[in-house]
Amino acid sequence: EPEVTQTPSHQVTQMGQEVILRCVPISNHLYFYWYRQILGQKVEFLVSFYNNEISEKSEIFDDQFSVERPDGSNFTLKIRSTKLEDSAMYFCASSEGIYQETQYFGPGTRLLVL
Amino acid sequence: QKEVEQDPGPLSVPEGAIVSLNCTYSNSAFQYFMWYRQYSRKGPELLMYTYSSGNKEDGRFTAQVDKSSKYISLFIRDSQPSDSATYLCAMRLKNDYKLSFGAGTTVTVRA
Repeated sequence: EPEVTQTPSHQVTQMGQEVILRCVPISNHLYFYWYRQILGQKVEFLVSFYNNEISEKSEIFDDQFSVERPDGSNFTLKIRSTKLEDSAMYFCASSEGIYQETQYFGPGTRLLVL
Repeated sequence: QKEVEQDPGPLSVPEGAIVSLNCTYSNSAFQYFMWYRQYSRKGPELLMYTYSSGNKEDGRFTAQVDKSSKYISLFIRDSQPSDSATYLCAMRLKNDYKLSFGAGTTVTVRA
């Protein structure tokens, strides 16, 4: 069964460093998403991406964050200058279509900012 | 008032019991409702998806939506230890991309 994959599974970084989280969505899916889950808190939407453009973003997704689909398979989330409060589990998700289509989540990348 | 409210539990039941989970929401414009299961340190896995009021059954799982009361439920029949996980409700507006999640309810099924 096709699945969303994410690398790395864990990342430890120093405050102020840049990190890139990588995702490979399900191959025939066209819509891509990033969510995050701070330990003990709700899963929160960050951004959605379609046709090489951001289609929606939350207040959390400020100028420190960016997303890119550098090739036909990868979807990346970049955090330019990490803060302690960026420590969280980051989930990539994808869906075939929009609106009625369900989103399938990857296993997540656990980011720890020291 | 929070957009999506879900009792975090924890909920502990004996094997074979019926597990009953629920969420309430404040935004009557939510159109699509989902239940995800999340094992410890893993990604959410879709269990049930529905968009109309009423019941939807899939094996041991039944999802119930009551749009007039802004209330959704998930029932797990004949619960197994492998059902031990955190269950997240999620919902979406009709013309929106993002999912709004509940806090998740942690369920333990005791053998």
